[in-house]
Amino acid sequence: EIVLTQSPGTLSLSPGERATLSCRASQSVSRFLAWYQQRPGQAPRLLIYGASSRATGVPDTFSGSGSGTDFTLTISRLEPEDFAVYYCQQYGNSRFSFGQGTKLEIK
Amino acid sequence: QVQLVESGGGVVQPGRSLRLSCAASGFTVDSYAMHWVRQSPGMGLEWVAVLSYDGSDKYYADSVKGRFTISRDNSKNMLFLEMNSLRPEDTAVYYCAKVGISYSDYVYFDSWGQGTLVTVSS
Repeated sequence: EIVLTQSPGTLSLSPGERATLSCRASQSVSRFLAWYQQRPGQAPRLLIYGASSRATGVPDTFSGSGSGTDFTLTISRLEPEDFAVYYCQQYGNSRFSFGQGTKLEIK
Repeated sequence: QVQLVESGGGVVQPGRSLRLSCAASGFTVDSYAMHWVRQSPGMGLEWVAVLSYDGSDKYYADSVKGRFTISRDNSKNMLFLEMNSLRPEDTAVYYCAKVGISYSDYVYFDSWGQGTLVTVSS
């Protein structure tokens, strides 16, 4: 099973700041890596797929990068609605594992 | 537009069974791989099971293998999760999810339902 480790566990920033979230895989997943946002009480929402492709309707303040085992989600300028929990997920094999999540909170 | 609506959750005693349903609209389940994902209270997302788009392959997380079964009914455009021998640690919100590309199995999840809560307690 591929284990995804996200860091940091919690990130405290202010609106307007830049956020950088990390996801590391225990073995290569090529670019089969997605990022999801989950707001309280809501279902997850797809943000990024293929490591760097934005899903439909996702603002261009969100960007993804990386390949192999190291991936990054960057939010260039935080809006109030961006404070949420973010999960990475690999979908390169039959065990579609998620990272443990990064909580982005208002400082 | 795509919509997924889960149902069937509730309170169940340890060792008993429960069947979750996911009603799909806006697409046909026989063209897409479909998944179940769960989230225990206050915890992260845990992938549970996948049914391949052609219905020939089913894969499960180790934590549920041998107890849970994923299936679908093409005529009703529905996905199911049969859960047997339930344990307190199965307590979670269960989401069904659709993948983003038809006729492909190893794909990201582009649509999610709102989830149904399963509580396993005596």
